[in-house]
Amino acid sequence: GAVVSQHPSWVICKSGTSVKIECRSLDFQATTMFWYRQFPKQSLMLMATSNEGSKATYEQGVEKDKFLINHASLTLSTLTVTSAHPEDSSFYICSATPGTGHQPQHFGDGTRLSIL
Amino acid sequence: GQNIDQPTEMTATEGAIVQINCTYQTSGFNGLFWYQQHAGEAPTFLSYNVLDGLEEKGRFSSFLSRSKGYSYLLLKELQMKDSASYLCAVLDSNYQLIWGAGTKLIIKP
Repeated sequence: GAVVSQHPSWVICKSGTSVKIECRSLDFQATTMFWYRQFPKQSLMLMATSNEGSKATYEQGVEKDKFLINHASLTLSTLTVTSAHPEDSSFYICSATPGTGHQPQHFGDGTRLSIL
Repeated sequence: GQNIDQPTEMTATEGAIVQINCTYQTSGFNGLFWYQQHAGEAPTFLSYNVLDGLEEKGRFSSFLSRSKGYSYLLLKELQMKDSASYLCAVLDSNYQLIWGAGTKLIIKP
């Protein structure tokens, strides 16, 4: 149980393109979903926390207008990287939890984004 | 501030035992998680400790001492596939997960 699906797994696109990444909880309802970014050989960096039906809470230094997060249902959250530039190239990972605080976060497989 | 410390890198031999330590200083405590992350992949959940003591799960065990702000992950009968980064994360009083930087474990034949 507790499967999280993330799509796409790999994106290569031109600078200025907007890219949407989907995160779905397949066998549980995810009250809370998290979006992380990880640069090579660095630790996970939390970008934002999203709760179903409300606005996402962004971490300090993360531009909310550039990284649009929508959590429209209990099984789906999306991250849109708007007008992506080469410096946005990274490994983006989502995770989900059923919502009770002691539950572990379950991660999607990640999306490797390369902006040319 | 909130802080989680774990060694940057460790090396061990196939078939041996290795202990990865994690110390934490957080505002409140609601549990400690260990995750495994292979290079280029997302983390996978290994264990959760909220009470003091040892939790055993196959070749992997996790220990917690809340009074010392200390945990360790013990890996027995090491296999080459155990080469990965091991992430320690603490759930603080606001149920926010605070992540350590991870320990890269290198297994040698």
